Amino acid sequence: AQTVTQSQPEMSVQEAETVTLSCTYDTSESDYYLFWYKQPPSRQMILVIRQEAYKQQNATENRFSVNFQKAAKSFSLKISDSQLGDAAMYFCTRGGADGLTFGKGTHLIIQP
Amino acid sequence: DAGVTQSPTHLIKTRGQQVTLRCSPKSGHDTVSWYQQALGQGPQFIFQYYEEEERQRGNFPDRFSGHQFPNYSSELNVNALLLGDSALYLCASSPTVRGNEQFFGPGTRLTVL
Repeated sequence: AQTVTQSQPEMSVQEAETVTLSCTYDTSESDYYLFWYKQPPSRQMILVIRQEAYKQQNATENRFSVNFQKAAKSFSLKISDSQLGDAAMYFCTRGGADGLTFGKGTHLIIQP
Repeated sequence: DAGVTQSPTHLIKTRGQQVTLRCSPKSGHDTVSWYQQALGQGPQFIFQYYEEEERQRGNFPDRFSGHQFPNYSSELNVNALLLGDSALYLCASSPTVRGNEQFFGPGTRLTVL
């Protein structure tokens, strides 16, 4: 089975600080996509950021950016200027021919 | 523009019963995927429907079946419910083009007693 691994079950960061969530994945495909999804306590899954594997440039969306290392199969998420509304479960997700594969998630706590 | 909607919000069933969950995709989307999310876990892919056919399937038994209607809405059916089927069931829709993000609904919380 092709897996997605998030090694940090929980992370805590002070408001306004920067935090990085780690993710590694396994795939035999050359054409695939990577996503970070956020799931707040309300449980609605929301897309945070998207990366096409064929693009070398790291994706950025406002305060959110990724460090995509294709050879290492690593896809970390950096959140700058953390805000209380960023508190949620974050799922690293690989999209390929077999649909979306999710990691187990990282619970992000924002300390005021 | 309504996003992905799911019904019901919560459902309680007993072992051995059958359940049907419903999903309406986001406007303009014709592909619907279903996921099972156990407590404290990431979602697991059940199957995907496109053009009223099951296109892809995850590692779930035949007790899990689905349907897609001409208006792109979809149903997930689970027969012979087990305690282990208790979970949040998420529906997601996407445009046809592969690689586009999937938009998720709020989910249906199924409890099997």
